[in-house]
Parts: sequence; C-alpha cells; structure tokens
Amino acid sequence: AQSVTQPDIHITVSEGASLELRCNYSYGATPYLFWYVQSPGQGLQLLLKYFSGDTLVQGIKGFEAEFKRSQSSFNLRKPSVHWSDAAEYFCAVPSGYALNFGKGTSLLVTP
Amino acid sequence: ETGVTQTPRHLVMGMTNKKSLKCEQHLGHNAMYWYKQSAKKPLELMFVYNFKEQTENNSVPSRFSPECPNSSHLFLHLHTLQPEDSALYLCASSQDGLAGLIADTQYFGPGTRLTVL
Repeated sequence: AQSVTQPDIHITVSEGASLELRCNYSYGATPYLFWYVQSPGQGLQLLLKYFSGDTLVQGIKGFEAEFKRSQSSFNLRKPSVHWSDAAEYFCAVPSGYALNFGKGTSLLVTP
Repeated sequence: ETGVTQTPRHLVMGMTNKKSLKCEQHLGHNAMYWYKQSAKKPLELMFVYNFKEQTENNSVPSRFSPECPNSSHLFLHLHTLQPEDSALYLCASSQDGLAGLIADTQYFGPGTRLTVL
C-alpha cells in the first residue's frame, strides 16, 4: 500500500520566519499527494494537492508544496509564518477507497 | 449549514452505554467516511460508504456499527465500547467513493471527541 512518512513530530518557528514541513512517500509510480491542516478542535482542511504536471503546487493560506521524484518528497513550505498557522499538518496519499495519512507534524509559532 | 457537520462535538459514555454519532454533509457528495484519530497515531479509516452502500470496513470491531440512510447522512452507532476507543471520530465526504483510486478530495467535519469511561 502507498504510504507517507512525516519525519518531524514537532516543529517550532518564529512568527515571520519561513517554514518547511517534510513528507516522504513510498510508491513506485507518480503518486497523488495531499497536505491537510488541522487546527485545535477542528477537522482537517485541505491545503493543496498534487496530481500531475507542474511540480510546484500552490495552495490556500499562502502555502505551497514541491513534488520531487528524485527525493520521493512532497514538502510543504510557507515563506512567512503567521501565529494562526499553529496547527497539526498531515501529508496523505490515496490508498484503496480513502487516504493514508502520515502521523502529522505539530507546528508551534513563537512571537 | 455548509460543509460537513458532526454531532455531538463531545461525548462521554460508560462502557455499557449505547450512543450514536451523526454526520451530515451539505455538499451534494456521494461518498462518506468515518475515521478514528487517536493520540499519537495516524488517522485510521474505519468505514466507507459510496452511494449509501458500504464499500469498505477496515477490520473495525463490531461494537462500532455504521449506518448510511442516504448520501447526506452517516451514523456511527456505539455499544459496549472500551476505554481504548476514546478518540476523535472524524467524518468526511467526497464527490465519489473513489478517493483512493482517483484522488478524490475529501472534506472533513470537526469531529466528535469521544471519551469512554
């Protein structure tokens, strides 16, 4: 089955600093890949998704992600983090009828 | 209401109780899903319904019983649960029940925080 790994459980960044969250996938062919965000007490919201084509994908809230086949990665980036970005971030890949999620990366934003 | 709604948002129950979780989607989708989110574990798919028919049961214990009376509503009936069933239960919907095959985008509700005493 397709799967994703998020190596970082927690990440802390200062407000205004840049952000990169890592996601590695295991799949031979080109996968479909998703990034979701979960704010405290909320469900998951789709940030962006990659199907094919341009390897740099733009999402909502100023996020982008780049698909790199050579590194089996789909890292999420944001040039300047806001305090409201503090949340849990999940990378996901389709599997069967639904999605396989990574374990998530918890983002803490400091003043 | 828009999107995917879930009620109740919080539920505390004893191991001998029977309760139900409700999910409703207002997106005109044809597929609905139940996920379980436990602390320190990835989201686990429980059930998938596509056009009211169950298409996947991910080896879920029988103390969890789903019901999908129509494409807009999904229930999770709970009975004789165990403390380890305490978790956040998330409902999601997508246009078609082929999320794994065509990468159909799933839209999530806010979840029900369940505590089993």
